[in-house]
Amino acid sequence: GNSVTQMEGPVTLSEEAFLTINCTYTATGYPSLFWYVQYPGEGLQLLLKATKADDKGSNKGFEATYRKETTSFHLEKGSVQVSDSAVYFCARGGSARQLTFGSGTQLTVLP
Amino acid sequence: KAGVTQTPRYLIKTRGQQVTLSCSPISGHRSVSWYQQTPGQGLQFLFEYFSETQRNKGNFPGRFSGRQFSNSRSEMNVSTLELGDSALYLCASSLGSGAGPRGGYGYTFGSGTRLTVV
Repeated sequence: GNSVTQMEGPVTLSEEAFLTINCTYTATGYPSLFWYVQYPGEGLQLLLKATKADDKGSNKGFEATYRKETTSFHLEKGSVQVSDSAVYFCARGGSARQLTFGSGTQLTVLP
Repeated sequence: KAGVTQTPRYLIKTRGQQVTLSCSPISGHRSVSWYQQTPGQGLQFLFEYFSETQRNKGNFPGRFSGRQFSNSRSEMNVSTLELGDSALYLCASSLGSGAGPRGGYGYTFGSGTRLTVV
């Protein structure tokens, strides 16, 4: 079935450090891919998305490129801020009209 | 533009009781999905409704049910509550088939209902 494998956390970085959170997905069909972020006590917020191979999603300095050849959708940010501390979820869509999520990666950014 | 509204935010119920959670989608969104989030199982899909029809259901027992009204508002019900039903229940709305192969609309999530079963 569909699955998403996400880098285990927690990840702790200093402010202005470079961030990468790895995400790979099963290659059934041509899924849309998403990154969501969850702040404490909140629901999920859509951070960025990509709907086809080689698409690059970007938002608030975060980027991820849909790589069909490696079935990956890694999240990157060049310089993280304390306010980026949250849990990040990679997700794939599919023909069944549901999202399959990775296990989430807790990011803590220290000042 | 109002977001996805879930009520109530917090609930405490006793084992064996039943509970109903409510979700109002973004105006104009016709697809509503429900997810359960727990520390152990992560985010799991419950069901999806579109124009009052359940189009997809996740792997949950029949105690979990839902419905959608003509105004796209949705409710989910859990009967005979168990301790393991304690979770954050998230509702998400989408303009159409947001997670389809080329859909790409994405889903907008509410803040969730935190259910605690004691």
